[in-house]
Amino acid sequence: ILNVEQSPQSLHVQEGDSTNFTCSFPSSNFYALHWYRWETAKSPEALFVMTLNGDEKKKGRISATLNTKEGYSYLYIKGSQPEDSATYLCAFMKPNSGYALNFGKGTSLLVTP
Amino acid sequence: DAGVIQSPRHEVTEMGQEVTLRCKPISGHNSLFWYRQTMMRGLELLIYFNNNVPIDDSGMPEDRFSAKMPNASFSTLKIQPSEPRDSAVYFCASSYPGGLTGELFFGEGSRLTVL
Repeated sequence: ILNVEQSPQSLHVQEGDSTNFTCSFPSSNFYALHWYRWETAKSPEALFVMTLNGDEKKKGRISATLNTKEGYSYLYIKGSQPEDSATYLCAFMKPNSGYALNFGKGTSLLVTP
Repeated sequence: DAGVIQSPRHEVTEMGQEVTLRCKPISGHNSLFWYRQTMMRGLELLIYFNNNVPIDDSGMPEDRFSAKMPNASFSTLKIQPSEPRDSAVYFCASSYPGGLTGELFFGEGSRLTVL
């Protein structure tokens, strides 16, 4: 994998469902992985920054895990709510890149009541 | 803090015209990034600056694009001449590498339409 890849591209779940999506990234020369939440008509906001293999981060009902050896991260949302509807972006930070992030195309989540 | 401030929020121009987008990063942040958002390519990094110095401009599409950061509180992205394929949302973001996370703080974007 040369770039950041996210799947699925879009997801539609019912309120209360739990869901998860995947970010794949180059496993060599890893430095950091970021997750951002991007609501329509707003700008992306950081959710998590993960740097160590095995990292697990949690913010409310949202959590993320990181596997740097195999090059993937999962984002989980427990008990989805309509306000969770957004595009979730994953970004890979290469070492010696001056903290520049390469973004995936995102997973667009729609949660309906 | 007011966050990252971009202007204009919306710009509609005709092909061949010069376009200048402006960005004021968060005070104290010493890294600034310009990204372009399109449906086809998602968020693409165009250029970034550390301490006002351009570090990597390999993402700049072609010579029609240029970016400057004359001081720590101001940056511009210029397109001259503009073309319809330049239509996109252009985001500016800043970060503080010495902080705990290096996370990016984004402005609200400048939506450019070139007719």
